[in-house]
Amino acid sequence: ETGVTQSPTHLIKTRGQQVTLRCSSQSGHNTVSWYQQALGQGPQFIFQYYREEENGRGNFPPRFSGLQFPNYSSELNVNALELDDSALYLCASSLQGNYGYTFGSGTRLTVV
Amino acid sequence: GQSLEQPSEVTAVEGAIVQINCTYQTSGFYGLSWYQQHDGGAPTFLSYNGLDGLEETGRFSSFLSRSDSYGYLLLQELQMKDSASYFCAVRELNQAGTALIFGKGTTLSVSS
Repeated sequence: ETGVTQSPTHLIKTRGQQVTLRCSSQSGHNTVSWYQQALGQGPQFIFQYYREEENGRGNFPPRFSGLQFPNYSSELNVNALELDDSALYLCASSLQGNYGYTFGSGTRLTVV
Repeated sequence: GQSLEQPSEVTAVEGAIVQINCTYQTSGFYGLSWYQQHDGGAPTFLSYNGLDGLEETGRFSSFLSRSDSYGYLLLQELQMKDSASYFCAVRELNQAGTALIFGKGTTLSVSS
């Protein structure tokens, strides 16, 4: 079975721009969540999707938005990028009701 | 609000036993998980405790006491490859849905 794959692996954007990050869930997983991890910190929960509906959100502003598609792949969109948005963005998938999340290797976003 | 406390660093030698503690404060507690993350890698799921007591998986064990809002990860027969960051994470059920809230992580350094 394939794991969670994220693209791109690295990205450099300019302040004020918009970015879309992509995630393919592990086969059979119907829940996807996104996290922001700053250097030396733990992952911070952004939001979670189950069956294409958002069913959990952390303390992130509305310029962070997402989508989950019928094939359970997902996108994270960030508008009006700020320097502090520079971080590793992690996607994780799971089966609803299952407690183990499978993480992708992340997208390293640098905002200059 | 939510908070998880764990030591920032732990050092040990090969073959030793180390315990990483985690205390949490959160509403809607639904379980405590542990994840391992090597530098530049994806977090990988180690264990989950939904009920009080000890869960054992090979060299790793995890414990939970819900009345004390406390858990720990026990690593036995340490190996060099165990050098990594370890995160406790609370699965929380709140008004917005479910969320996985991570601690800041404990860096474990294993020396020979």
